[in-house]
Amino acid sequence: GAVVSQHPSWVICKSGTSVKIECRSLDFQATTMFWYRQFPKQSLMLMATSNEGSKATYEQGVEKDKFLINHASLTLSTLTVTSAHPEDSSFYICSARDLAGVYEQYFGPGTRLTVT
Amino acid sequence: RKEVEQDPGPFNVPEGATVAFNCTYSNSASQSFFWYRQDCRKEPKLLMSVYSSGNEDGRFTAQLNRASQYISLLIRDSKLSDSATYLCVVNPGENNNDMRFGAGTRLTVKP
Repeated sequence: GAVVSQHPSWVICKSGTSVKIECRSLDFQATTMFWYRQFPKQSLMLMATSNEGSKATYEQGVEKDKFLINHASLTLSTLTVTSAHPEDSSFYICSARDLAGVYEQYFGPGTRLTVT
Repeated sequence: RKEVEQDPGPFNVPEGATVAFNCTYSNSASQSFFWYRQDCRKEPKLLMSVYSSGNEDGRFTAQLNRASQYISLLIRDSKLSDSATYLCVVNPGENNNDMRFGAGTRLTVKP
């Protein structure tokens, strides 16, 4: 089956610093990748949709200057949380959709971010 | 109204029980539907797609009712390993690429 990896799986950083999270599709090419955030006991909330070679589309209420997304290749998308604050602490999950364009998305294992 | 609504539960059932979850969605133009399973602190994993004609995969049966805009998941002969949060997921379609997640229904199967 399709595999999506994320790195790091867990990160602690100080308030004010930036954190980069990588999302890779390991055995398929992903034209579209999605970034979600999940707070404890809440649902996944879509943050942005990332298409290879173009600017990401952000959901309402998500600051594009704070959450920088780069999708430079068909197998890699990155999310950078800039000037992180404690309220940014969350579980960040990426997913990828393959070139076939089927609706199924394959999820990465998630990155748990804690900002102190 | 939320785009996808689920009863959060928790559902606590004994092993061997049959349990059903419902989910409603607000966008009548939605194109595709899924049930995902999420274990604690893990990513969601696809359990099954939901087809208009209904579909079954072992102990799991999914149904779609477009007229009433709800989907259901039935689990028969519950196992301890079925304990998880079940997410109802709807793809709005109409050139939208993303999926909309319900908040999930927590299931605990007890011995």
